[in-house]
Amino acid sequence: GQNIDQPTEMTATEGAIVQINCTYQTSGFNGLFWYQQHAGEAPTFLSYNVLDGLEEKGRFSSFLSRSKGYSYLLLKELQMKDSASYLCAVRAGGSYIPTFGRGTSLIVHP
Amino acid sequence: EAGVAQSPRYKIIEKRQSVAFWCNPISGHATLYWYQQILGQGPKLLIQFQNNGVVDDSQLPKDRFSAERLKGVDSTLKIQPAKLEDSAVYLCASSLGLGGVNQPQHFGDGTRLSIL
Repeated sequence: GQNIDQPTEMTATEGAIVQINCTYQTSGFNGLFWYQQHAGEAPTFLSYNVLDGLEEKGRFSSFLSRSKGYSYLLLKELQMKDSASYLCAVRAGGSYIPTFGRGTSLIVHP
Repeated sequence: EAGVAQSPRYKIIEKRQSVAFWCNPISGHATLYWYQQILGQGPKLLIQFQNNGVVDDSQLPKDRFSAERLKGVDSTLKIQPAKLEDSAVYLCASSLGLGGVNQPQHFGDGTRLSIL
């Protein structure tokens, strides 16, 4: 099985930078996804990492270290609309289906 | 492009009753998934279809849950009889293929099920 750990909740100020961490323990790692989910809505795809390093996409960046079983999602220039749950999902063991963590609820305040 | 469509949006039933959910994936997407998301948790896979065949149903409680995708497009998920612990959001997702290197899943808005 897989063990995926994320903080339950984080708060940050509008305009600031926030880093949401995800650690995982698995065998046969095959990729890590980040999804954003607003309350009552569908998860939407943010990023995918399979190799070590930083992937930048506008205000959002995602980092992966396979040797440490660690990833983070970096959100810059926070906006109120970024208040949402951020889900880390890991694919492993020859399966193409990712296993989701519990998600981190991010609250952005003025 | 139209997204993944699900209905109903909300459903309230009493325990031991039956309920069914419907999903229409993105056109051309061969793979369809049903997830259960309990409040405060991440989505948990129930079943995965490739066209009209089941790829993975290892986490589907088969004594009460069933799903089908007869023509390889729309899918239905049924619970019979429902238990209190089935209260959750049921998400349908689709992807172009079996996953490839970086084919993300596209999710519908889900059906919020409440069991009384």
